[in-house]
Amino acid sequence: QLQLRESGPGLVKPSETLSLTCSVSGGSVNSPVSYWAWIRQPPGKGLEWIGTIAYSGTTYYNPPLKSRVTISGDTSKNQFSLTLSSVTAADTAVYYCGGPQYYHMDVWGKGTTVTVSS
Amino acid sequence: QSALSQPPSASGSPGQSVTISCTGTSSDIGAFKYVSWYQRHPGKAPKLIIYEVTKRPSGVPDRFSGSKSGNTASLTVSGLQAEDEADYYCSSYAGNNLLLFGGGTKLTVL
Repeated sequence: QLQLRESGPGLVKPSETLSLTCSVSGGSVNSPVSYWAWIRQPPGKGLEWIGTIAYSGTTYYNPPLKSRVTISGDTSKNQFSLTLSSVTAADTAVYYCGGPQYYHMDVWGKGTTVTVSS
Repeated sequence: QSALSQPPSASGSPGQSVTISCTGTSSDIGAFKYVSWYQRHPGKAPKLIIYEVTKRPSGVPDRFSGSKSGNTASLTVSGLQAEDEADYYCSSYAGNNLLLFGGGTKLTVL
C-alpha cells in the first residue's frame, strides 16, 4: 500500500530556504509513468499546487512560485524533496506531498506545518 | 482567493443528499475531463474520492458521485452519514502542466 510522509523543519526564518522531504513507501518514485507533487495550504486559505516531478525527473511548477521552487528526486532513498527560497510569512502553510498520478493524487501524506517567523 | 470557487460550507441531515459545487473557467474545468475531489478529516491526510469527473477509486462508497456541466463541477453525497462530515476540495487540470484547487467546503452533518 502506497504511503507518503513529509518531514522537515517546522520553523523557517524569513528570507531563508524551506526544505522538505517526502518519503515514499509501498511504491517507487521512479515507477514508470508516476508523478509526485507538493501542495500547500496557508492558514484560512485553500489548497495550492506547488509543483510536480515526474518519474523521468521532469519538473512542472506553479508559475507564481516557479522562480523560488525546486523539486528533486532521490531514487536511492525513494524520496522527493521541495526547496522554496526567500520565504516570507506568506509561505506559512501546511505542506503536503502526493502522488503518483499526473492529473490527481491517489495518495497524500498527512502534511507538515511550516511556519515562517524570526 | 483560490483558483476554483467552492462554497465555504454545506450541510445536511443524515440520509439526505448534499451537492457541493466547484466553479472554474473555460480554461480549466470547462476544457478538461480531469476534475478530482478530495475529502479531508481533521488531522488526517486528504483522500481521493472522485477523479476524472465521475470515477470513484476502489473502496469509495457509491454514495459519492461527481459530475460536470460547463465550467462547474459538482460532488454529490447521497445518504449522508456522520462520517461524511469533513472538508472537501475540488481540483482541475488547467493545461500547460498546471493544477488548480478550490478553497474547500466544510460539510456538516446536522
